[in-house]
Formats: sequence, structure tokens, C-alpha cells
Amino acid sequence: DTEVTQTPKHLVMGMTNKKSLKCEQHMGHRAMYWYKQKAKKPPELMFVYSYEKLSINESVPSRFSPECPNSSLLNLHLHALQPEDSALYLCASSQAGFRNGYTFGSGTRLTVV
Amino acid sequence: KQEVTQIPAALSVPEGENLVLNCSFTDSAIYNLQWFRQDPGKGLTSLLLIQSSQREQTSGRLNASLDKSSGRSTLYIAASQPGDSATYLCAVSLIRGMRFGAGTRLTVKP
Repeated sequence: DTEVTQTPKHLVMGMTNKKSLKCEQHMGHRAMYWYKQKAKKPPELMFVYSYEKLSINESVPSRFSPECPNSSLLNLHLHALQPEDSALYLCASSQAGFRNGYTFGSGTRLTVV
Repeated sequence: KQEVTQIPAALSVPEGENLVLNCSFTDSAIYNLQWFRQDPGKGLTSLLLIQSSQREQTSGRLNASLDKSSGRSTLYIAASQPGDSATYLCAVSLIRGMRFGAGTRLTVKP
């Protein structure tokens, strides 16, 4: 298995809702990442997990809450989002360490209404 | 802060042409550089990964070069096809994760 699987593919949520994005990989990668991509912009790093521990938080608002319950799963819990949070949310994984390439999932298209 | 720049922002070529996409970065202290392809509204597909100690990598019609000292990389696409139409992103690997350029939007016309 050489894929990163993200669910759901599309999500529409209200500003008072709570929802979660899910990311799964079975490549034995021990580093996992969340990126946010606005239209016609490059992906921007949000969080980095290394060996199931949060190692980098790029000053992301607390309405985004990441979780890494095991080495194969990465979740992003969403609460009280704003319309400007609408974007494509991308998950990636890699072998631990800085010299390894990333494998990306197909993303979750999030719309906040 | 590391800045990654891609030129041109958009490129339109007739089918069959060879073309070069450019990527530059301000800080040469990178671990590797990766080229990705992104179709509209989709995720990123890895094309080539070049380690900081390497000069180039090849895969099929694609060839990527890296000159770390000058902060430049190029992606060469030979004999372009309409199916190559997509946005091409370069990204550099740093201690604080991978940083992306804004991409080059390529259109290959039949």
C-alpha cells in the first residue's frame, strides 16, 4: 500500500458544528503532516507529528485540533470554524527524518457556511 | 525565512514541445527538493525527489536538476502531452517541514 487516504473528500459545515477530518497510511511512515491550501495558493504547513507526538504547530488557531491516535492515523478536529477556513486540507506522510520525500493524500475540500 | 519562487507562473505550449520549469529558493540549507504535480482540486502527486547531495533525478520524460549553492532547481519535461497539463509545484525540505513555491500552471495544447 503506497497511498495516503483522506476522508471525507468533501465536507460542508456550519460555523457552530464540530467535525473531524481523517487521514490514514499503511506505509510504516512515522511522520505525518497537515497542510492547508487556499485556491491558487501553495500548501501551507499546519502541524507535524513525529512518532505520534506533535512536533510542530505553525501557530494554528485552537479551533483546529490535531490528534495522532496511532502510527497509521491522523485526525484533524474542527470546531467553531470561520468561512475563511474554507480550503483544501491535505495530509501527507513520510519516513521520519528530514531527508525523506512526502506522500500526499487527495485532500478534503472543506466549505464553512 | 525560506522563500521559494517558481517562474513562470503560467505556461502554455503546443503538444510535443520540450519545456523547462524553474524553482529558486533563498536558503541553501535544504535537505532535499521535491517536485509535485497537482490537478485542479486534487491532491499532490510526487514526481521527483532530489537529495541535497544529488545533482539530478530522472523519471521517464521528466528530469529535475538541483544546484543547491545557487538556490535553483529546474524541471525539464520532454515531448509534452496534453495529459501533462496541471500545476507543478516545487518544495524544499527544512527542519520545520516542507515549504512550497506557488507553482507553475502548465497548459499543453493538442
